[in-house]
Amino acid sequence: AQTVTQSQPEMSVQEAETVTLSCTYDTSESDYYLFWYKQPPSRQMILVIRQEAYKQQNATENRFSVNFQKAAKSFSLKISDSQLGDAAMYFCAYRINTGNQFYFGTGTSLTVIP
Amino acid sequence: NAGVMQNPRHLVRRRGQEARLRCSPMKGHSHVYWYRQLPEEGLKFMVYLQKENIIDESGMPKERFSAEFPKEGPSILRIQQVVRGDSAAYFCASSPLKGKNIQYFGAGTRLSVL
Repeated sequence: AQTVTQSQPEMSVQEAETVTLSCTYDTSESDYYLFWYKQPPSRQMILVIRQEAYKQQNATENRFSVNFQKAAKSFSLKISDSQLGDAAMYFCAYRINTGNQFYFGTGTSLTVIP
Repeated sequence: NAGVMQNPRHLVRRRGQEARLRCSPMKGHSHVYWYRQLPEEGLKFMVYLQKENIIDESGMPKERFSAEFPKEGPSILRIQQVVRGDSAAYFCASSPLKGKNIQYFGAGTRLSVL
């Protein structure tokens, strides 16, 4: 079965501090892609960052970076210098290369404290 | 370049009525995906369509739900004889002909069944 687990339903961080959101997944495939999406109150799903499983180097997008541990099937998101606008639900997802759908976790609600 | 457009944003139906949800993909995108998000859950895949073809409907309920993506016009997700359990947010995503590994999401339609 293809599953994604986000074990932290809620997280909070002080403005300007760093926070890490965890994600583990389960797949028997070796070729897949991993994603973090942000869903603010507007409900719009916004792509934050993505990682190709065949790449060992962790992806980085400005203040957002991932820690990808393929053997452990772990894909955590680190947000540095947190800003008020980072407050949202964050969903971890993946897609196997030969498949059509994305598999999503249940999300982590991030609160940023001024 | 407009993003994925979904309408309506909110839809209220009484039990037994029909719901029609529309999705216009991003310009140049020929792949459309529908997902459903129940309260407190992540997005669950429903169906994947290309123009005039259903490619993968493995996530669609067997009854009352149907989807189409005609040669002209938006993709339509149709729910007949709605029940309270159909209340959810329905998201559409699109991707270009080459590049299924990035899906761009609309803001969703929130369906409420009274």
